[in-house]
Amino acid sequence: GAVVSQHPSRVICKSGTSVKIECRSLDFQATTMFWYRQFPKKSLMLMATSNEGSKATYEQGVEKDKFLINHASLTLSTLTVTSAHPEDSSFYICSAMQVGQYNSPLHFGNGTRLTVT
Amino acid sequence: GQQLNQSPQSMFIQEGEDVSMNCTSSSIFNTWLWYKQDPGEGPVLLIALYKAGELTSNGRLTAQFGITRKDSFLNISASIPSDVGIYFCAGQMGAGGTSYGKLTFGQGTILTVHP
Repeated sequence: GAVVSQHPSRVICKSGTSVKIECRSLDFQATTMFWYRQFPKKSLMLMATSNEGSKATYEQGVEKDKFLINHASLTLSTLTVTSAHPEDSSFYICSAMQVGQYNSPLHFGNGTRLTVT
Repeated sequence: GQQLNQSPQSMFIQEGEDVSMNCTSSSIFNTWLWYKQDPGEGPVLLIALYKAGELTSNGRLTAQFGITRKDSFLNISASIPSDVGIYFCAGQMGAGGTSYGKLTFGQGTILTVHP
């Protein structure tokens, strides 16, 4: 149980285009999902907290107009990287918190490797 | 902000050896978690610790939640080649407030196991 699916697993896009990444909780409902960014051999850095039915909460230094987050249902959150540039190339990972399980461990998706050329 | 110091940064060991890594924090956490990440994949939960002083095992893995709630260690006994990967500690705040559910990660320990 508690499976989180991320799509796509890899994406290559041209500079200036936008890319949408999906995070789905497959067998549970998640009012809260988290989006992380990870550089090679580095730790995961929290970008934003996605709340179903409300605006996302962004961490300091993360541009909300650059990284658009939508959490329209209890099983889906999307991250859109707008007007992507090569420096946006990274590994993006989502995690989901099960409804009512506030102290339960978070389950992670398999990540999305974004390469901007 | 909160920071987790994880050490060592990397380890090169022989198959069969035991491994120990730890994390310390400047802040108190209600939950300590240990994850393993393989290349190109998301972190996979190994052990979750919920109470100060708690000692929990999962096969060859053992982890403890420090009494002060500011530290945790992970031990791997009799390492095997498939233990290779990056291990992360993470602290999680409890319910309530704007920080609950958020994870603060350590820098990671890169483990290499030589057959």
